[in-house]
Amino acid sequence: KNEVEQSPQNLTAQEGEFITINCSYSVGISALHWLQQHPGGGIVSLFMLSSGKKKHGRLIATINIQEKHSSLHITASHPRDSAVYICAVPHSGGGADGLTFGKGTHLIIQP
Amino acid sequence: KAGVTQTPRYLIKTRGQQVTLSCSPISGHRSVSWYQQTPGQGLQFLFEYFSETQRNKGNFPGRFSGRQFSNSRSEMNVSTLELGDSALYLCASKGGQTRYGYTFGSGTRLTVV
Repeated sequence: KNEVEQSPQNLTAQEGEFITINCSYSVGISALHWLQQHPGGGIVSLFMLSSGKKKHGRLIATINIQEKHSSLHITASHPRDSAVYICAVPHSGGGADGLTFGKGTHLIIQP
Repeated sequence: KAGVTQTPRYLIKTRGQQVTLSCSPISGHRSVSWYQQTPGQGLQFLFEYFSETQRNKGNFPGRFSGRQFSNSRSEMNVSTLELGDSALYLCASKGGQTRYGYTFGSGTRLTVV
């Protein structure tokens, strides 16, 4: 079973700051997922990546397969970015699906 | 296209009862996975179904079970409910070559009293 470590657990920043959230995992994977969860529970998939870097708007996700590490960056942060950000990896191999999650990073962006 | 639909949204049950939750995946998605989210343990994987077969299972007791129908709709059942089963139960569907992999439903919030 894959283990996922995420840091920091909590992060408060001022509007406009550059945000970095880190994720490390224990077992080699086919793809890593970054998710966003707002109060109320709904989870939105932000990125699925298996190598390199992806960008969507102000969000950037990178992954280093050799080091088993990924980062999620938010540029020009805004109060609407306040949410819990969760890193997830496949629960196990063998072609079956299902995710194992980090504990999440609770991000608050203050105006 | 329609997203992942979970019913009911909220549920209150008494300890010892059983409960069945439903998940309708995105049309064409054949993989459905279930998750439990609690404040203490965070998100945990329950099980995953593909074409009516359970392919993967997390570390939960046998009171937690599920099934998938030929139309890919899935149900999960929890028997002999305990107070600690109070949680948000989420399902996600996955299929084909998608940009994000998984699409999550809004969840069912179960309260056991």
